[in-house]
Amino acid sequence: EIVLTQSPGTLSLSPGERATLSCRASQSVSSSYFAWYQQKPGQAPRLLIYGASSRATGIPDRFSGSGSGTDFTLTISRLEPEDFAVYYCQQYDSSAYTFGQGTKLEIK
Amino acid sequence: EVQLLESGGGLVQPGGSLRLSCAASGFTFRSYVMYWVRQAPGKGLEWVSTILGSGATTYYADSVKGRFTISRDNSKNTLYLQMNSLRGEDTALYYCAKGSRDTGWPDWGQGTLVTVSS
Repeated sequence: EIVLTQSPGTLSLSPGERATLSCRASQSVSSSYFAWYQQKPGQAPRLLIYGASSRATGIPDRFSGSGSGTDFTLTISRLEPEDFAVYYCQQYDSSAYTFGQGTKLEIK
Repeated sequence: EVQLLESGGGLVQPGGSLRLSCAASGFTFRSYVMYWVRQAPGKGLEWVSTILGSGATTYYADSVKGRFTISRDNSKNTLYLQMNSLRGEDTALYYCAKGSRDTGWPDWGQGTLVTVSS
């Protein structure tokens, strides 16, 4: 099973700042099958990025993804108030899909 | 518009069984791989199971293998998860999701809550 480790666990930033979230895989993952999700309290996860760097439909361009192999990054260029949430990375390369444990992005 | 509506959750005793359903609409159901994902209270996301479009191929997380069975009825546009020998650690909100290897998993239901407790 591929283990995904996200860092930091919690990120405290202010609106307008830049956020950088990391996800490290225990073994190499095809960048074609790597995604990021946002989840707000009481809501289902929302797909932000797939294929490591492609934005899903309707996702603002302040969200961007990058990375390959074992290291992947989600960047939010300028935080809006609605961006404060929990973010999960996911690999769907192997048949045993896995998620990271999440990074909570909170308002400073 | 894609819609996924889960049902069948509830309170069940340890060792008991429950069958979840996910009614799908707004897309050609038989053409898509479907997934179950769960989230324990206050915890992260855990993939549970996958079923390919024909229903002939399935995959399971080690934590549920041998206890849970995923299936689908393409004539009814419905996905199922039969859960047997339930344990306390199976307590979670269960989501169904639709996606593909090309696009990730963009469509999720709102979830159905399963509580395993005596």
